[in-house]
Order: sequence, then C-alpha cells, then structure tokens
Amino acid sequence: GAVVSQHPSWVICKSGTSVKIECRSLDFQATTMFWYRQFPKQSLMLMATSNEGSKATYEQGVEKDKFLINHASLTLSTLTVTSAHPEDSSFYICSARDPNSYNEQFFGPGTRLTVL
Amino acid sequence: GNSVTQMEGPVTLSEEAFLTINCTYTATGYPSLFWYVQYPGEGLQLLLKATKADDKGSNKGFEATYRKETTSFHLEKGSVQVSDSAVYFCALSGSSGNEKLTFGTGTRLTIIP
Repeated sequence: GAVVSQHPSWVICKSGTSVKIECRSLDFQATTMFWYRQFPKQSLMLMATSNEGSKATYEQGVEKDKFLINHASLTLSTLTVTSAHPEDSSFYICSARDPNSYNEQFFGPGTRLTVL
Repeated sequence: GNSVTQMEGPVTLSEEAFLTINCTYTATGYPSLFWYVQYPGEGLQLLLKATKADDKGSNKGFEATYRKETTSFHLEKGSVQVSDSAVYFCALSGSSGNEKLTFGTGTRLTIIP
C-alpha cells in the first residue's frame, strides 16, 4: 500500500513555543490530507481536512488560529501548533487520500507532542 | 451526525481462541464501513472494508459483514495468533466515498500464548 510519513515522531517543547509537524505522502500525490488528534484510550478525532492549494477545513471546536495547516504541495501538509500549552499534549496523526486507490486513506505513524 | 459505537476493551484472549469485536453505527444513507488495525508503534492500516449491505470484508483471517438491518459491522476471527495483538478501530465514511472517516474508540486486543 501507499506510504505516509510524519516528522518528527515525537517532540517535547516548552509552553508558549510553536511546533511544526510534517506529513508526507511518499509514493503518491494527495490532494487531500487529514489531521487527527488521539487522546489516551480514546479514538481519533478529526481536526481538519487539508486541501492542496486552498484553505483547510476545520472541524467544529478546533481553533484554526492555534492549529495552522498548510498544504503547499501534493505530497506535503504541515500542522503547526502555535503557542503550545500542556493541554495540547497529544498524539497527532495525519492521513492522505490516494486517488489511485479508490480514495483510501493511508495513515502516518503519528507524532507524540509533549508540552512542558 | 454519523457515529460509531465499538466494544470497549481491553480484550485478552488465548492463542487460537475465537474473536469477536462488536461495532454498531449510526449514519444517514448508505455509508462504507471499515476496520483499521494499529500495531504497536505504527500507524493505522486498513484491515478490511465493506461498501454496501450484506457485503463481507475479509483479510488475514478476519471477517466482518455489513448488516444494515442491525446497523452492525462486527469483526471476527476464528483462531487468533499472538501477532494479532493490536488496537482495532471500526470506522465509517459517507456514501460518496470522498467523505471523512468517523472512528469508534478502538479496542485493544492482547493475545497470550
């Protein structure tokens, strides 16, 4: 199947700083990528849908000014957590839709963010 | 809106036992249904799917049948192995095929030798 990578796999930062997470589709072009957040022992919560060349679509309750999403190319989407606080600590997962595989979503391995 | 209710875990079974993980859903129209598996330290992988009523998805010995009358998509395997230990997520997407996924809470499965 198609491969999606995320970088970094884990990051620790101080409160008030910003953190950027990258999501790349390695062997296909993805016009649509998704960003999820996973709390311990809970399911994946969709944060936003990232569309190449246009603004992201955020789910209700997700602050667009805090979670900045940029999808500048067909293989890269970035999520920037601005002015991070301890409550932003979580596991962030991206997925990319492959138009050549019946629009199946392929998931990255996730990024563990810890804000001190 | 769409929702998925999944059997809570954790589930612990002995090797070669029969597995059932229950999943029911609420959705309008005719959603597609999925089971994803997340092995330790890895991303989610699609395990199987079904796109219409009475379809049976199968892969790696796992099966699930799309039951519209009971709005269910229970995951089954006749004889589990230690390597099946993982977290399993039931999910659905809207009938257009391009809609976002809605996930259940996940079920952690541990198989002991």
